[in-house]
Amino acid sequence: EAAVTQSPRNKVAVTGGKVTLSCNQTNNHNNMYWYRQDTGHGLRLIHYSYGAGSTEKGDIPDGYKASRPSQENFSLILELATPSQTSVYFCASGDAGQGRAETLYFGSGTRLTVL
Amino acid sequence: GDSVTQTEGLVTVTEGLPVKLNCTYQTTYLTIAFFWYVQYLNEAPQVLLKSSTDNKRTEHQGFHATLHKSSSSFHLQKSSAQLSDSALYYCALLNTGNYKYVFGAGTRLKVIA
Repeated sequence: EAAVTQSPRNKVAVTGGKVTLSCNQTNNHNNMYWYRQDTGHGLRLIHYSYGAGSTEKGDIPDGYKASRPSQENFSLILELATPSQTSVYFCASGDAGQGRAETLYFGSGTRLTVL
Repeated sequence: GDSVTQTEGLVTVTEGLPVKLNCTYQTTYLTIAFFWYVQYLNEAPQVLLKSSTDNKRTEHQGFHATLHKSSSSFHLQKSSAQLSDSALYYCALLNTGNYKYVFGAGTRLKVIA
């Protein structure tokens, strides 16, 4: 069974603080993604990675950094958290392969509140 | 730019009646696929069905959708809604060249008894 695990499940941070959201996948997928989910906006792509050592900017990267130290792990870093970053964050891995339309497998999400 | 539009934020339907969730798109991508993802309360989004073939009906778990490139649509339908279908549904477009997804804003389906 494919598995994407996120930690923590819930996080409360203070404005200006540093926040790290972690994601681990056991699918052996090359592609990994970070999305945020907000009512009325759906899922918006923050950063993504094609493999260990690579990170790419998504559609809304400002205020976020990403790190992919290994095939399994992909972190999202908020160096200076702001209240506008209060949201639910989803990590996903994708089963991209030759001739196959990639399906995303999501983690259970992290609910982040920045006070 | 490329976009996916889900016109209804909330659809309420009575159990046993048909339901249709609308999805239209605009894109300049040449190689594309379409997905419906479903997110049940307090769970992660998961794929419901997908298609990349024009005018071919795709079915899963009682739901079906047909990609119509002529009208830029990929509507989701079910002939008889169940209480357990209540969830948030996302329509999504995938550029199969660079694996870039574009998600719609989502439609919340509420099935009532």
